[in-house]
Amino acid sequence: DADVTQTPRNRITKTGKRIMLECSQTKGHDRMYWYRQDPGLGLRLIYYSFDVKDINKGEISDGYSVSRQAQAKFSLSLESAIPNQTALYFCAISQSGADEQYFGPGTRLTVT
Amino acid sequence: AQSVTQLGSHVSVSEGALVLLRCNYSSSVPPYLFWYVQYPNQGLQLLLKYTSAATLVKGINGFEAEFKKSETSFHLTKPSAHMSDAAEYFCAVTSPAYSGAGSYQLTFGKGTKLSVIP
Repeated sequence: DADVTQTPRNRITKTGKRIMLECSQTKGHDRMYWYRQDPGLGLRLIYYSFDVKDINKGEISDGYSVSRQAQAKFSLSLESAIPNQTALYFCAISQSGADEQYFGPGTRLTVT
Repeated sequence: AQSVTQLGSHVSVSEGALVLLRCNYSSSVPPYLFWYVQYPNQGLQLLLKYTSAATLVKGINGFEAEFKKSETSFHLTKPSAHMSDAAEYFCAVTSPAYSGAGSYQLTFGKGTKLSVIP
């Protein structure tokens, strides 16, 4: 089984809809991250969490919210989706801030 | 603050030729540096990492990178390209000694797409 799983893998939604992307992990790492990837821009950090009670904004948090339901689960929500949120979204985990991050397979989100 | 610059958004090499992907970083404290690879329709996979030990780091699939503090560089190389190396490569930096806002965040470069020509 994969260390980091993301659901759904693909999603098409309409402008104004609320959508949730889910991430779960089996490695028991405390740190979890949400990134978005856009062609030519690399990966940009949306939110990160060091434990269940510690959530921090990243570089591009506007328009997004997160929930750390348990150590193993970290969800990303778009309260009112807009077309420029069309992107590939990745969840990642790490043991500590200096360690490598393990990435999930990604969720391709299209907002029409 | 930290940043990463990857020179060349696209690089093409012939099969069997040297692969050289360039990465320069900026960091106010000693950095940890990473190279990740992304194959089509997949997530990112770690190739190698530098964490202040040996400056020449060997990774998976025959890749290696050398940390050069004087040049603030961490270029990725492979002596002989294989068709299976075609992918997008990302350099990333984190600064574990930095305790301010943004500490422990991994900052990525914009990526370099490697094409291998038969």
